Amino acid sequence: EADIYQTPRYLVIGTGKKITLECSQTMGHDKMYWYQQDPGMELHLIHYSYGVNSTEKGDLSSESTVSRIRTEHFPLTLESARPSHTSQYLCASTGTGNQPQHFGDGTRLSIL
Amino acid sequence: GNSVTQMEGPVTLSEEAFLTINCTYTATGYPSLFWYVQYPGEGLQLLLKATKADDKGSNKGFEATYRKETTSFHLEKGSVQVSDSAVYFCALISRAGSYQLTFGKGTKLSVIP
Repeated sequence: EADIYQTPRYLVIGTGKKITLECSQTMGHDKMYWYQQDPGMELHLIHYSYGVNSTEKGDLSSESTVSRIRTEHFPLTLESARPSHTSQYLCASTGTGNQPQHFGDGTRLSIL
Repeated sequence: GNSVTQMEGPVTLSEEAFLTINCTYTATGYPSLFWYVQYPGEGLQLLLKATKADDKGSNKGFEATYRKETTSFHLEKGSVQVSDSAVYFCALISRAGSYQLTFGKGTKLSVIP
């Protein structure tokens, strides 16, 4: 069973603040992903990484940025939060090939 | 490109009813197929998977069979429980898609006593 952790679970914060959502995994997985999940449930890939110092944008354009300095850590940053960023953010990781992704419990973000 | 189409919800069933959630896919090559479940307030959990044609994935009473001829992977359970209330996502992964998950839009299931 993969262990992947996201913090915080919930965050309510004002407009204009800088936010970092944390994601860590203990499985040594090379591939990590960030998804945004809208209230209609649909998942949108916003960032992914295939290893240290590798980051790519996903299918959905996002104002967030990511970094991958260590294999186990894949934080997502919003430099200036806006109400349109209100959503649930899910982090996932996987090993090689056709292996399924393992998901964290998500961060539910509300920007006032 | 890859795509997954699953039946729209919400689906409401009485306890002990039979469940089917339809899922069809379009993919290049030979994808692996998955069903994920998301319980309220949680992330996604892998429910079951199948990696080649005619494989049957099963877990917690749920089953799905990889049907290459109909490009389908329908989720079934013979007798649902209130605790099965969740959102269910069909997904696929393939080498042609750079091994990135392609999800359906999700189907919300509510089971009432």
